Amino acid sequence: EAAVTQSPRSKVAVTGGKVTLSCHQTNNHDYMYWYRQDTGHGLRLIHYSYVADSTEKGDIPDGYKASRPSQENFSLILELASLSQTAVYFCASSDPGAGNTLYFGEGSRLIVV
Amino acid sequence: GQQVQQSPASLVLQEGENAELQCTYSTTLNSMQWFYQRPGGRLVSLLYSPSWAEQRGGRLTSSAASNESRSSLHISSSQITDSGTYLCAIPYRNNYAQGLTFGLGTRVSVFP
Repeated sequence: EAAVTQSPRSKVAVTGGKVTLSCHQTNNHDYMYWYRQDTGHGLRLIHYSYVADSTEKGDIPDGYKASRPSQENFSLILELASLSQTAVYFCASSDPGAGNTLYFGEGSRLIVV
Repeated sequence: GQQVQQSPASLVLQEGENAELQCTYSTTLNSMQWFYQRPGGRLVSLLYSPSWAEQRGGRLTSSAASNESRSSLHISSSQITDSGTYLCAIPYRNNYAQGLTFGLGTRVSVFP
């Protein structure tokens, strides 16, 4: 079974503070993704990466940075957290060459106050 | 940008009833996917088109026309454990390597 783990699972952050969400996969997948889920907006792609040390912008990259230091790890960084970034964040991995489905982590619930 | 619309937004079923969930998208595609999510839980892939033969426990089937921009998910003999949100997804910018674009989902509630 594919395994994607996220940390922390939940966090309360202060407006203007820095937040780092981490994702680790043991699937040996090249592709990784960060999504946020909000009521009324559904899942939206923030950043993705197809190789270590490289990241790409998705639909809503503003206010977020991403880092892919290795194939297994993909982080989402909020340098200056804002109230509007309160959401649930999901990490996923895939191997498009072996099937196009995404394997998701359990999500990280972020509340910015 | 790409749009994925799902209907109905919510659905209430009595255990044993059948249901059909609809998904329409703003482009013609060769494939799409259905996911399932429990409240507060991770998304789990259910069915990946065009592998129509894939089913979960034999009670889920997905149907679509290759030349139409819509798909349906059929749930037969619903069970309480089917409760949750079902999301339709298409390849982002028509490229699976760039992830998926999701609809808002259909929230299904099954009662005894």
